[in-house]
Amino acid sequence: NAGVMQNPRHLVRRRGQEARLRCSPMKGHSHVYWYRQLPEEGLKFMVYLQKENIIDESGMPKERFSAEFPKEGPSILRIQQVVRGDSAAYFCASSQSGFNTEAFFGQGTRLTVV
Amino acid sequence: QKEVEQDPGPLSVPEGAIVSLNCTYSNSAFQYFMWYRQYSRKGPELLMYTYSSGNKEDGRFTAQVDKSSKYISLFIRDSQPSDSATYLCAMMDPGGGADGLTFGKGTHLIIQP
Repeated sequence: NAGVMQNPRHLVRRRGQEARLRCSPMKGHSHVYWYRQLPEEGLKFMVYLQKENIIDESGMPKERFSAEFPKEGPSILRIQQVVRGDSAAYFCASSQSGFNTEAFFGQGTRLTVV
Repeated sequence: QKEVEQDPGPLSVPEGAIVSLNCTYSNSAFQYFMWYRQYSRKGPELLMYTYSSGNKEDGRFTAQVDKSSKYISLFIRDSQPSDSATYLCAMMDPGGGADGLTFGKGTHLIIQP
């Protein structure tokens, strides 16, 4: 039973480029959450999605960031025109019931902006 | 004042000792309390999950919630070197606007063999 799969594990982008982070939830899970972990900081909630719907994006920066979870395929977190401050670990979690306390986390994607 | 406060450590104890990890919080609406373990360069792993006040025990781990003091604890008995990791507390207000968890910064724990 594969867990939450995130790829790539490491991503290096130059300032101004786009970053695409992918998350495949656990089998049978249709709820996905994205979190960001800055150095020396705790995990910060970004967005909660169900298939084809954004349920809560209250933690998402208003500009340059977007997320989707299509009917088929992984959830995508997209960061346009990356800046150095976007360098962080981005974690995806998935749950079966939509109850966030029962979510399982992936291994994260570490984004470095140079 | 941050919503969740957690001492980042590092906390270093000898193998076999009882470890006490703590978080305080300011939002009285938090009802669900979790502890996660995170090894270096890995994703968080759920250890314990408690609803409202009280104690919960699972093997060597005991979670305590004191809502009157807005204080939660995780105790690890008979600590092992493999317990060395960062421990994150997390909380959720089920009636709040955001569906995500609110995390502490994590405490870095080192168990000395």
